[in-house]
Amino acid sequence: GENVEQHPSTLSVQEGDSAVIKCTYSDSASNYFPWYKQELGKRPQLIIDIRSNVGEKKDQRIAVTLNKTAKHFSLHITETQPEDSAVYFCAARVRGNTPLVFGKGTRLSVIA
Amino acid sequence: DVKVTQSSRYLVKRTGEKVFLECVQDMDHENMFWYRQDPGLGLRLIYFSYDVKMKEKGDIPEGYSVSREKKERFSLILESASTNQTSMYLCASSIPERTLYGYTFGSGTRLTVV
Repeated sequence: GENVEQHPSTLSVQEGDSAVIKCTYSDSASNYFPWYKQELGKRPQLIIDIRSNVGEKKDQRIAVTLNKTAKHFSLHITETQPEDSAVYFCAARVRGNTPLVFGKGTRLSVIA
Repeated sequence: DVKVTQSSRYLVKRTGEKVFLECVQDMDHENMFWYRQDPGLGLRLIYFSYDVKMKEKGDIPEGYSVSREKKERFSLILESASTNQTSMYLCASSIPERTLYGYTFGSGTRLTVV
């Protein structure tokens, strides 16, 4: 089955700097890659996603890139702010109606 | 506008008790999922369901069962709770893959088994 590896497990950046979180997946048939943000004590919420027919997607300060050949995808957050501090999860889904497989999460701390 | 509701936010149960975790969604989603979240282990799939009275095992089903008698409700059952089932339990729902969508999660139930 699909396996998703996520790095780093913790990440600290200064406010205003960029943060990058990377994930690799094992199944080349995977075609959907969402990212979730979980603030302390709250539910995970979808912040951005990308389909396998797209190489990059941006939404204000957040972007996701996908390299199908290398089977990895990354979350980029620019101009980080303290409210970006949270745990971020990547996930992948093999085509069809199958459950998402999640990475183990990255705890991002933005230091003011 | 909460759309996936988990009945309890915090729960403390004794070893050996039968525990029911309830999840209700109001979005008419066919798919529902139960994950457990542990530090350093991420989100691990316990069971999922694509339709009423249908269930499929996830990656860690041992010690758990589920029930889906109605489309909007998906229950997770710990038949005999053990201390290693102390965890955060997250319910999620989604629509089938006519197009690609992510999940909507509930707020989670933090279960402590003593």
